[in-house]
Amino acid sequence: DADVTQTPRNRITKTGKRIMLECSQTKGHDRMYWYRQDPGLGLRLIYYSFDVKDINKGEISDGYSVSRQAQAKFSLSLESAIPNQTALYFCATTGNADSADTQYFGPGTRLTVL
Amino acid sequence: GQNIDQPTEMTATEGAIVQINCTYQTSGFNGLFWYQQHAGEAPTFLSYNVLDGLEEKGRFSSFLSRSKGYSYLLLKELQMKDSASYLCAVPNQAGTALIFGKGTTLSVSS
Repeated sequence: DADVTQTPRNRITKTGKRIMLECSQTKGHDRMYWYRQDPGLGLRLIYYSFDVKDINKGEISDGYSVSRQAQAKFSLSLESAIPNQTALYFCATTGNADSADTQYFGPGTRLTVL
Repeated sequence: GQNIDQPTEMTATEGAIVQINCTYQTSGFNGLFWYQQHAGEAPTFLSYNVLDGLEEKGRFSSFLSRSKGYSYLLLKELQMKDSASYLCAVPNQAGTALIFGKGTTLSVSS
């Protein structure tokens, strides 16, 4: 079984809808991250969390919110989706040491906002 | 601030050797990562360098020069399956997350 899973894997929605992307991990890691990837722009950090109830904004947090319900789960929400949030979204985890630890990525969620 | 530069695209043929360069500017260096990402898939870890020099791992090697803010990934005996994007990344100044370059898309042809 995969160590980091994401649901859904693909989602098409309409402008203004609320969307939640979910991430679960079985690696026992404390640190979890949400990135989006757009062609030509690389991976950009949206939010990250070092523990349950710990939430930190990344480079591009506007229009997004997150929830760390448990050590193993980290959810990303788009309160009112807009077309420029169409992207590939990745969740990642890293171990309990500093951020120089390797990050392990989930398989990604392809989101299309019409 | 922090900045990472990589070439956007490279092409090579099967069996050849290719070098993908990465230059970075960062405050307080704490290592450099290389990831491989096939189209539509998740990035996967290739290498981590924290000291100067070359680290070899099978067909892939990674080099680091901290004084020059420079790294490269060397791929030998190229195979078609090596067609992918290669991402260079460094920890941010606070040590809380990774900053990724935009990636180099490598196309290997027969």
